[in-house]
Amino acid sequence: DAMVIQNPRYQVTQFGKPVTLSCSQTLNHNVMYWYQQKSSQAPKLLFHYYDKDFNNEADTPDNFQSRRPNTSFCFLDIRSPGLGDAAMYLCATSHLSLGTDTQYFGPGTRLTVL
Amino acid sequence: KNQVEQSPQSLIILEGKNCTLQCNYTVSPFSNLRWYKQDTGRGPVSLTIMTFSENTKSNGRYTATLDADTKQSSLHITASQLSDSASYICVVRDGGSQGNLIFGKGTKLSVKP
Repeated sequence: DAMVIQNPRYQVTQFGKPVTLSCSQTLNHNVMYWYQQKSSQAPKLLFHYYDKDFNNEADTPDNFQSRRPNTSFCFLDIRSPGLGDAAMYLCATSHLSLGTDTQYFGPGTRLTVL
Repeated sequence: KNQVEQSPQSLIILEGKNCTLQCNYTVSPFSNLRWYKQDTGRGPVSLTIMTFSENTKSNGRYTATLDADTKQSSLHITASQLSDSASYICVVRDGGSQGNLIFGKGTKLSVKP
């Protein structure tokens, strides 16, 4: 089935140790998003790619970077994770030319920082 | 400031009962409003989407309403099931050039047997 896949589902890292989260999609959507969601809070958009164009939210820390090597894959790199970066990270996709902006979310990666 | 407020923050109901979740927004200009269901530890899944001209939309036992004049929406769940236990998130897209999505914090629904 076409879907948004995130790996790993659970990631444990040490304070300051770089970590990469991955997202892949079989929907062939042109937009991919990364959200950070902390407990009992709304998802917060970090950045998104429209095709190869990277769009960073103004309040996203420099500690967070992203790469999209092709249509199907998008990575979230956290260069020096702090305790405050522990959260669920959600990847989503959408295809703007289809006349709908519905976002399809992956299952998320829960990041723990020790 | 564009905001989306949801109430109640949490709700416990018995299986088989109906419930209504509320969403008030101050987003302007308005593009559309959608309700998502988010199971614990999972990504959100879209339930309904409504534009300015739509005032009700159903998806099975879920019925969403929209009053664009008062900037209020509700999600009504009929004959609740245990599997309805989840967080329900209201998301409004602004109609400006950025088309930003503004997320509510969600209502956490627990359905008890």
